[in-house]
Amino acid sequence: EDQVTQSPEALRLQEGESSSLNCSYTVSGLRGLFWYRQDPGKGPEFLFTLYSAGEEKEKERLKATLTKKESFLHITAPKPEDSATYLCAVQESGNQFYFGTGTSLTVIP
Amino acid sequence: ETGVTQTPRHLVMGMTNKKSLKCEQHLGHNAMYWYKQSAKKPLELMFVYNFKEQTENNSVPSRFSPECPNSSHLFLHLHTLQPEDSALYLCASSRALEGTQYFGPGTRLLVL
Repeated sequence: EDQVTQSPEALRLQEGESSSLNCSYTVSGLRGLFWYRQDPGKGPEFLFTLYSAGEEKEKERLKATLTKKESFLHITAPKPEDSATYLCAVQESGNQFYFGTGTSLTVIP
Repeated sequence: ETGVTQTPRHLVMGMTNKKSLKCEQHLGHNAMYWYKQSAKKPLELMFVYNFKEQTENNSVPSRFSPECPNSSHLFLHLHTLQPEDSALYLCASSRALEGTQYFGPGTRLLVL
């Protein structure tokens, strides 16, 4: 069965303490892998789309990477404003989207 | 106004009420989606419209009724809901069925 698994479920970091979030997936034919940021009570905000293994994208303190079975969202020197839930989603060859349950990130000043 | 907008942002309704959620996208996209988000669960896709035509209905109960009058507007009509329907309802749009989806701010629904 197609699915997306994100880990850890929750992560607490000190400000400036770099870390990575994981998204592993099992789909039959990957069309794209998407990262979103979601603040409490708000809709997901688009961050990155990755299409093929080896691809990397960066935005400020965030860097997303993709392999054939997983993606990582690396957060370098995080700040308190990076606190949010980070969602991963994959689109398979039939255009169906599958979302993970997210990683709740808290950055402590 | 830009992006994807949703109204109302918050809604409290009794189980016998009828209400509607509205979504509007200003991105020139052709596909629109309704999702349900409950605590600790992945987003659940409810309905998909492509060029105003419904392409997917993920076994959603008939008390939820979608309507897509044009590519920019999407409605979700609610009738005789249950308390377990309380959730954040998200609208999204994309240029085509393949590709990045952009989300609205959501409607927080509470069914009493």
